[in-house]
Amino acid sequence: GAGVSQSPSNKVTEKGKDVELRCDPISGHTALYWYRQSLGQGLEFLIYFQGNSAPDKSGLPSDRFSAERTGGSVSTLTIQRTQQEDSAVYLCASSLVSNEKLFFGSGTQLSVL
Amino acid sequence: AQTVTQSQPEMSVQEAETVTLSCTYDTSESDYYLFWYKQPPSRQMILVIRQEAYKQQNATENRFSVNFQKAAKSFSLKISDSQLGDAAMYFCAYRSWEGNTGKLIFGQGTTLQVKP
Repeated sequence: GAGVSQSPSNKVTEKGKDVELRCDPISGHTALYWYRQSLGQGLEFLIYFQGNSAPDKSGLPSDRFSAERTGGSVSTLTIQRTQQEDSAVYLCASSLVSNEKLFFGSGTQLSVL
Repeated sequence: AQTVTQSQPEMSVQEAETVTLSCTYDTSESDYYLFWYKQPPSRQMILVIRQEAYKQQNATENRFSVNFQKAAKSFSLKISDSQLGDAAMYFCAYRSWEGNTGKLIFGQGTTLQVKP
């Protein structure tokens, strides 16, 4: 596609439910990143993929968070047993290779009630 | 660990005037990259300007320029001839030269209001 696509744009869920957030990077981009942006805050790194492997997952806040990438393309961020503190905008970015310019999606606004 | 600090939560500027956004960072590395990103209400982060730490010359991109002070670990963004479309949240970010993850470390952001 022309840019990084994320879905859904907005997600409202109940505390304790699982959610899946999807990221479709720019075609051919090997590096993919997930960031979390809490209200009024800067972006917090979650995980980095190179191809289908995740050499850096140091930012995942707890074992309720997991992510995968398949076919070197689409990535899914899964949050299990959501908590209210998980409410945030989840942004995905991709680059041709790591250390090159990042292209960001418009994010998924997650609200946990 | 590296940190990035933006001490101005909000700034405002009159249209056509100049404004400077501040950023300081902490690192023990000698080579790195610094960035300014703009985030409009659409939430999509847009790269404004980039600076390599080994370059002494300050980066410029049209109306946007930086004042990079390596010894002071300061990286401010100057926006000249401000336009209504410049209103957004601005983030300063750091990336290590070493390693190959490309991970960015962001400051807390500065919301810029442009008054007509």
